[in-house]
Amino acid sequence: SAVISQKPSRDICQRGTSLTIQCQVDSQVTMMFWYRQQPGQSLTLIATANQGSEATYESGFVIDKFPISRPNLTFSTLTVSNMSPEDSSIYLCSVSGTSGAYEQYFGPGTRLTVT
Amino acid sequence: TQLLEQSPQFLSIQEGENLTVYCNSSSVFSSLQWYRQEPGEGPVLLVTVVTGGEVKKLKRLTFQFGDARKDSSLHITAAQPGDTGLYLCAEVDYKLSFGAGTTVTVRA
Repeated sequence: SAVISQKPSRDICQRGTSLTIQCQVDSQVTMMFWYRQQPGQSLTLIATANQGSEATYESGFVIDKFPISRPNLTFSTLTVSNMSPEDSSIYLCSVSGTSGAYEQYFGPGTRLTVT
Repeated sequence: TQLLEQSPQFLSIQEGENLTVYCNSSSVFSSLQWYRQEPGEGPVLLVTVVTGGEVKKLKRLTFQFGDARKDSSLHITAAQPGDTGLYLCAEVDYKLSFGAGTTVTVRA
């Protein structure tokens, strides 16, 4: 299994600002994903981070609001732009194992509060 | 992508009791996974079920996949405080689609 770290673990931000979340994996992985978990709710996939090309966004999520970088096979960033209180959530990255989507490992998450 | 319904939403039991949580859909699952998420952590995969009627055991946890592959259950025998967490089912397609989860609290 992969070991995944995220930075920061939590942050409190003012509305209108942006926050970049980092995801680091201890081994090279093909697929990396970003999820959002709003308070008391389940996980929703934001996008798939593709190495060397633009991320693939799910319905309801756009690149201007959630720009994603994937410079190599062990690292990705998610930026939450022009934040509002509705963006207060836990943001999690996950990576696939050798079996693809059947085997995913999650980072510990970044708890974001927007005031 | 289909909507997954999990029940109950919350469950609080005493240590040593048994519990069952459910995951249902109106459509057939391609395959289904169960995760447990503890506070401050990401979800951890417990099991993947693929075949209708499949039963898998993981120590005190028993997972069943319905014959028609539209429902699944997770049964915990003799629950312990360490079983406390959010239990999530997820359909596996090209991505994971999660249910809303069942929050389980096991009181010592």
